[in-house]
Amino acid sequence: DTEVTQTPKHLVMGMTNKKSLKCEQHMGHRAMYWYKQKAKKPPELMFVYSYEKLSINESVPSRFSPECPNSSLLNLHLHALQPEDSALYLCASSQSARDYGYTFGSGTRLTVV
Amino acid sequence: GQNIDQPTEMTATEGAIVQINCTYQTSGFNGLFWYQQHAGEAPTFLSYNVLDGLEEKGRFSSFLSRSKGYSYLLLKELQMKDSASYLCAVNSGYSTLTFGKGTMLLVSP
Repeated sequence: DTEVTQTPKHLVMGMTNKKSLKCEQHMGHRAMYWYKQKAKKPPELMFVYSYEKLSINESVPSRFSPECPNSSLLNLHLHALQPEDSALYLCASSQSARDYGYTFGSGTRLTVV
Repeated sequence: GQNIDQPTEMTATEGAIVQINCTYQTSGFNGLFWYQQHAGEAPTFLSYNVLDGLEEKGRFSSFLSRSKGYSYLLLKELQMKDSASYLCAVNSGYSTLTFGKGTMLLVSP
């Protein structure tokens, strides 16, 4: 298995909703990442997990809450989002936090209404 | 800070060769990557350079000069399916991969 699987592929949520994005990989990678990408912009790093511990939080608002239940799973819990949070959310993994060779998931297209 | 520059758009003709340049100024350097991204899809890995020189992989080649903070991606025998955004990204140290704004390449018949 050489893929990073993200679910759902599309999500529409209201500003008062609570939802979660899920990411799964079975490549034995020990570093996992959340990136946010707005249209026609490059991906922007949000969070880095290394060996299931949060190692980097790029000053992301608290309405985004990451969770790494085990080495294969990464979640992003969403609560009280704003319309400007609408974007493509990409999960990626790599063998370690010092390793190149990111594998990206296909992303979740999030629309906040 | 981190600064990665690449042209916003380029156009080329099917069958031609195109070179996409990238210059970078980062606080550290642990490798430079090129990714291809079609609209609405995830980036896909194309190449990785950590030492100076040229890396060739089929129709794609990537070059790095660390002293000049410069890289290019060379695409040969262009095909219509090569129309996409090409992202230059630098690993500037511990885990963080910083992306340039991307170069939108349009290949015309």
